[in-house]
Amino acid sequence: SSELTQDPAVSVALGQTVRIKCQGDSLRTYYASWFQQKPGQAPVLVIYGEDSRPSGIPDRFSGSRSGNTVSLTITGAQAEDEADYYCNAWDSSGNHVLFGGGTKLTVL
Amino acid sequence: QVQLVESGGGVVQPGRSLRLSCAASGFTFSSFTIHWVRQAPGKGLEWVALMSYDGSNKYNADSVKGRFTISRDNSKNTLYLQMNSLRAEDTAVYYCARDYGDTQVILDYWGQGTLVTVSS
Repeated sequence: SSELTQDPAVSVALGQTVRIKCQGDSLRTYYASWFQQKPGQAPVLVIYGEDSRPSGIPDRFSGSRSGNTVSLTITGAQAEDEADYYCNAWDSSGNHVLFGGGTKLTVL
Repeated sequence: QVQLVESGGGVVQPGRSLRLSCAASGFTFSSFTIHWVRQAPGKGLEWVALMSYDGSNKYNADSVKGRFTISRDNSKNTLYLQMNSLRAEDTAVYYCARDYGDTQVILDYWGQGTLVTVSS
């Protein structure tokens, strides 16, 4: 298929662990990236590749892949992690780019 | 430091044209694929187009095919998006983003975006 599917909303208690998932056929072939976006701001890359973090991203953010599903895990969620999270990858053709619909994370 | 600065947004009537620019600095612009990504008000991210580092490859989303054209001028460190036959559904913040990846798309730096409003 030519889409990436995410749950629209997820919540987590402060300090607990949360996993945000993204499903799509192209994920069997291509690694995904994850972006964090806060209101009024541009997206920020938080995870790419198998499980790589850009400089400055806290190590509580991690990534994993299994079959056609990739996951972003936040271990010990903080209040500042409340944001929208998007996954992204090539589509199966390798010449178009897909974004998931986004997951709104609420930290309780 | 890496910077991407979009410009050219504004209010335009349906059916008219607009050209966006993305000025890059702080890195070797001619070595990177650059993308346009947009976000309609209150909606998610939507990929629009990409152009390879040397301009030899470019791809558009189906939603803009035949209407939008991506181009670049490596001598000016600038990427462009020519948008023709604009529709109300093209209303969005348009971001340019650098692609650090090779076999994977890795959009590691983004501009702050420029707002395009298509309205009569």
